[in-house]
Amino acid sequence: DADVTQTPRNRITKTGKRIMLECSQTKGHDRMYWYRQDPGLGLRLIYYSFDVKDINKGEISDGYSVSRQAQAKFSLSLESAIPNQTALYFCATSAPEGNIQETQYFGPGTRLLVL
Amino acid sequence: SQKIEQNSEALNIQEGKTATLTCNYTNYSPAYLQWYRQDPGRGPVFLLLIRENEKEKRKERLKVTFDTTLKQSLFHITASQPADSATYLCALDENSGYALNFGKGTSLLVTP
Repeated sequence: DADVTQTPRNRITKTGKRIMLECSQTKGHDRMYWYRQDPGLGLRLIYYSFDVKDINKGEISDGYSVSRQAQAKFSLSLESAIPNQTALYFCATSAPEGNIQETQYFGPGTRLLVL
Repeated sequence: SQKIEQNSEALNIQEGKTATLTCNYTNYSPAYLQWYRQDPGRGPVFLLLIRENEKEKRKERLKVTFDTTLKQSLFHITASQPADSATYLCALDENSGYALNFGKGTSLLVTP
């Protein structure tokens, strides 16, 4: 079974709709991340969480919110989806040594299309 | 502003040759640098990490160098194979250590 799973894998929605993307991990990592990837723009950090009580905004958090329901679960919500949120979304986890960021483990991605 | 630059043009090489990809950065003082592989429609997969006090690191056919004076890392794949065709991303830590910043990646195509 995959260590980091994302649901749904594909989603088509309409402008103005609220949607939630979910991420679960079995790696036992404290740190979890949400990224979006667009052609030509690379991976950009939306939100990250160092533990259940710690949520932080990343580079492009506007229009998004997150919830860390448990150590293993981190959800990303689009409160009112707009077409320029069409992208490939990735969840990732990591377990740093001390204050050094180590390897990140990515989920398979959610492809979102906002019409 | 901070920048991570990878060659946006695809690299096409013949099977058996050595592929060399470049990652340049500005306004970073990274403690380490990482390389990831990404296949189309899939999540990045970690390949190698090199720390600021390491000049070179190897793993099977992969070799990474890290020159903090030039602010550059080179990623080499020796005896390349068509299965090595993918996009390769470099990533640097933020000085605070809270997250990674990724380059946009370089696409590698290895032809038989």
